[in-house]
Amino acid sequence: DQQVKQNSPSLSVQEGRISILNCDYTNSMFDYFLWYKKYPAEGPTFLISISSIKDKNEDGRFTVFLNKSAKHLSLHIVPSQPGDSAVYFCAASLWWTGTASKLTFGTGTRLQVTL
Amino acid sequence: NAGVTQTPKFQVLKTGQSMTLQCAQDMNHNSMYWYRQDPGMGLRLIYYSASEGTTDKGEVPNGYNVSRLNKREFSLRLESAAPSQTSVYFCASSEARWGSGSGRGNEQFFGPGTRLTVL
Repeated sequence: DQQVKQNSPSLSVQEGRISILNCDYTNSMFDYFLWYKKYPAEGPTFLISISSIKDKNEDGRFTVFLNKSAKHLSLHIVPSQPGDSAVYFCAASLWWTGTASKLTFGTGTRLQVTL
Repeated sequence: NAGVTQTPKFQVLKTGQSMTLQCAQDMNHNSMYWYRQDPGMGLRLIYYSASEGTTDKGEVPNGYNVSRLNKREFSLRLESAAPSQTSVYFCASSEARWGSGSGRGNEQFFGPGTRLTVL
């Protein structure tokens, strides 16, 4: 049972345009969401996160939006750059349980930014 | 400040062999994790350690054991490797504290991975 879903395996966007990566979740108890970026042969690197008490969080070119009623979050990258080409993973956690931050990951979306 | 380091980077085993994957972090984090990544499956949690001296099963623990040697080090052992354990293994750490509830510190920092092939 996939609790975190990234239904688009890949996305191609032109340099300078907006990239929108989507993520859906099924467990309404998730209360903290994260995006990770992964280059080939490297470990994932943390990009941006959002708590369930917010609906938007910005960090430079990256913005994450959370729609709790729809159980949906999205990552916007504006403007997209060739260096953004990577696999992006969405992750969710149940922080309220007070345990270590066990993350449930989606299957990833490969973003290619073309010139 | 190396962050999270993993050894080895690559390993080939024969079915039935054993090996230990090593992980160390220098960020003074309380919690450490082992994941595996398979094509089309994302990252799946194998085991985690919320704090020094404790370990717990994750989503896919069968065939693995772990040891939290001290606050810095968390090792993953395959006692009898099987082809189904061919995967890329990632170690991660975070500053998450039991019961803090603040939400901060949920970010996990990952090592570069170990690519394991079991023939």
